[in-house]
Amino acid sequence: EPEVTQTPSHQVTQMGQEVILRCVPISNHLYFYWYRQILGQKVEFLVSFYNNEISEKSEIFDDQFSVERPDGSNFTLKIRSTKLEDSAMYFCASREQGDGQPQHFGDGTRLSIL
Amino acid sequence: QKEVEQDPGPLSVPEGAIVSLNCTYSNSAFQYFMWYRQYSRKGPELLMYTYSSGNKEDGRFTAQVDKSSKYISLFIRDSQPSDSATYLCAMSAAGNRKLIWGLGTSLAVNP
Repeated sequence: EPEVTQTPSHQVTQMGQEVILRCVPISNHLYFYWYRQILGQKVEFLVSFYNNEISEKSEIFDDQFSVERPDGSNFTLKIRSTKLEDSAMYFCASREQGDGQPQHFGDGTRLSIL
Repeated sequence: QKEVEQDPGPLSVPEGAIVSLNCTYSNSAFQYFMWYRQYSRKGPELLMYTYSSGNKEDGRFTAQVDKSSKYISLFIRDSQPSDSATYLCAMSAAGNRKLIWGLGTSLAVNP
């Protein structure tokens, strides 16, 4: 069964450094999403991406964050100048075109900021 | 009022029991309702997906949506130890479909 894959599974970074989280969505999917889950809290929407542009972003997704689809398979989340409070699980999701299609998730990247 | 509320549990049941999980929500624009299962250190895995009100059954799982009460449920019949996980409800309005999540309910099914 096709799946969303995310790398790395765990990233440890010093505060102030930049990180890039990578995702390979399911191949025929056209809508892509990033979510994060801080330990003990709800999963939170960060950004959605369609047709090579951001379609919606949350208040969390400020100038520190950016997304990119550099080629036909990868979808990345970049966090510049990381802060301690960026420590969380980051999940990538994708879905097919069509209003009735659900989102499928990867296993996430655990980001630890020291 | 929080958009989606879900009792975090934990919920502990004996093997074979019927499990009932539920969420309430406040946004009447929500039309798509999902249940995801999450094992430790894994991503959310889609279990059930319903549109608008009604019931949907898949094997041992039944999802119910009552839009008039803004209440959704997931029933697990003949629960198994392998069902032990966190169950998250998520929902979205039409259009972009960003998901709004409950906190998740931790379920333990004891042999």
